Amino acid sequence: AQSVSQHNHHVILSEAASLELGCNYSYGGTVNLFWYVQYPGQHLQLLLKYFSGDPLVKGIKGFEAEFIKSKFSFNLRKPSVQWSDTAEYFCAVTASGSARQLTFGSGTQLTVLP
Amino acid sequence: DTEVTQTPKHLVMGMTNKKSLKCEQHMGHRAMYWYKQKAKKPPELMFVYSYEKLSINESVPSRFSPECPNSSLLNLHLHALQPEDSALYLCASSQERTYGNTIYFGEGSWLTVV
Repeated sequence: AQSVSQHNHHVILSEAASLELGCNYSYGGTVNLFWYVQYPGQHLQLLLKYFSGDPLVKGIKGFEAEFIKSKFSFNLRKPSVQWSDTAEYFCAVTASGSARQLTFGSGTQLTVLP
Repeated sequence: DTEVTQTPKHLVMGMTNKKSLKCEQHMGHRAMYWYKQKAKKPPELMFVYSYEKLSINESVPSRFSPECPNSSLLNLHLHALQPEDSALYLCASSQERTYGNTIYFGEGSWLTVV
C-alpha cells in the first residue's frame, strides 16, 4: 500500500517569502499525485495534480509542484506567498489499480504573517 | 465553488438520535465517497460507492450506514453515535477510471454529537 509523508507540520512565513512544502510518497509503481488546500473552516480544494507528462505542474493561485520520480517527491512551491495563503495543505496519492483510494499525508499548516 | 453539495452544513445530534447526511453531485461521476475528518488531521476514507454499489467499507462501525439511491445522490445514515464521532464529514466524487481519477470534495457537514 502507498503512503505519504509531509515532514513540515507547521510552516510560518512572512508575506512575499518563497514557499516550498515537502511531500514524499512510498510506492514502487505508477502514481497520481495531488495537492489539496483547506482554508480555515472550509472544504478541501484541489490545488494541482500530476498524472503524467511534464513533471512540473502549475495549479491555481500561483502554486506549482515538481514530480521527481527518483526521489519519490512532489514538492509544492510558490515564489511569493500572501496572507490569504494561510491554510492547511495536504499532499495525496493514488496508485495504479487503486485509483479510488486517495492516501493523504498528515498535512502542513502554513501561516503567513502580514 | 465545489460541484459536490452537502446538507446540512451543521448538525447537532444526541446519542440516541437518528439523522442523515446528504450529498449530491451533477458531474456525471460514477464513484462517490464518504470521508471523516477530525480537526487538524487528514481526511479518512469511510466508504466508496462505484456505480451505486458499495465497493469499499473501511471497517466503519455499523452506526454509520451509507446509501446510494442513484448515481447523483449519496446518504450517510447516523444512529446511536458517540461523542467521539463528532467531526467534519466530507462527501466526494470522481469519474470511475483505473488511472487518472481526480476526487472532488464537497464543503462538508460539521457533526457534533452531544
